[in-house]
Amino acid sequence: DIQMTQSPSSLSASVGDRVTITCRASQSISTYLNWYQQKPGKAPKLLIYAASSLQSGVPSRFSGSGSGTDFTLTINSLQPEDFATYFCQQSYGTLITFGQGTRLDLK
Amino acid sequence: QVQLQESGPGLVKPSETLSLNCTVSGGSIRNYYWGWIRQPPGKGLEWIGYMYYSGSTNYNPSVKSRVTISVDTSKNQFSLKLTSVTVADTAVYYCARATTVTHGDAFDFWGQGTMVSVSS
Repeated sequence: DIQMTQSPSSLSASVGDRVTITCRASQSISTYLNWYQQKPGKAPKLLIYAASSLQSGVPSRFSGSGSGTDFTLTINSLQPEDFATYFCQQSYGTLITFGQGTRLDLK
Repeated sequence: QVQLQESGPGLVKPSETLSLNCTVSGGSIRNYYWGWIRQPPGKGLEWIGYMYYSGSTNYNPSVKSRVTISVDTSKNQFSLKLTSVTVADTAVYYCARATTVTHGDAFDFWGQGTMVSVSS
């Protein structure tokens, strides 16, 4: 199985900050990497697919980068609605796996 | 806009079968993969499996011996059956559409989720 490890597990930030979340795969997954945002009591929402492509309707302050084993999700100029939990997900192998999540809360 | 809605019992007894349906509206069930993902309370996401509308399936090995996903194109629905459940199967269950993107599969539309508790 391909293990996905996110860091940090949680972080605190302020409105207007720039934050970066990292996701590391246990083996190379090319760019078979997606990012999701989940708010309490809600389903996850697709933000970024194929490591760096912005899903339709997602604000441009969200961006993704990386390939191989190391990936980042960057949020520029944090907005109040961005405080949530973020998950990465790989689909390189036949077994789809998610990272454990990064909780982003208000400092 | 595609919408998905899960339905099924919220309580299942240990050793019994968990059965959920997902109704797709606003779009056809054809030409996509349709899957299930679960999330135990306070924990992360676990992919259970998915099925292409025409019948091919891919399941997580952790549940493969107990799970069946099926699609009913006439009703625009797909379903999940998980047999011999234990308390470890207690979770919010999401149905979702998997879209093949430039690299791999991404879940672009999700149901709201339904909580299923396994308890006697």
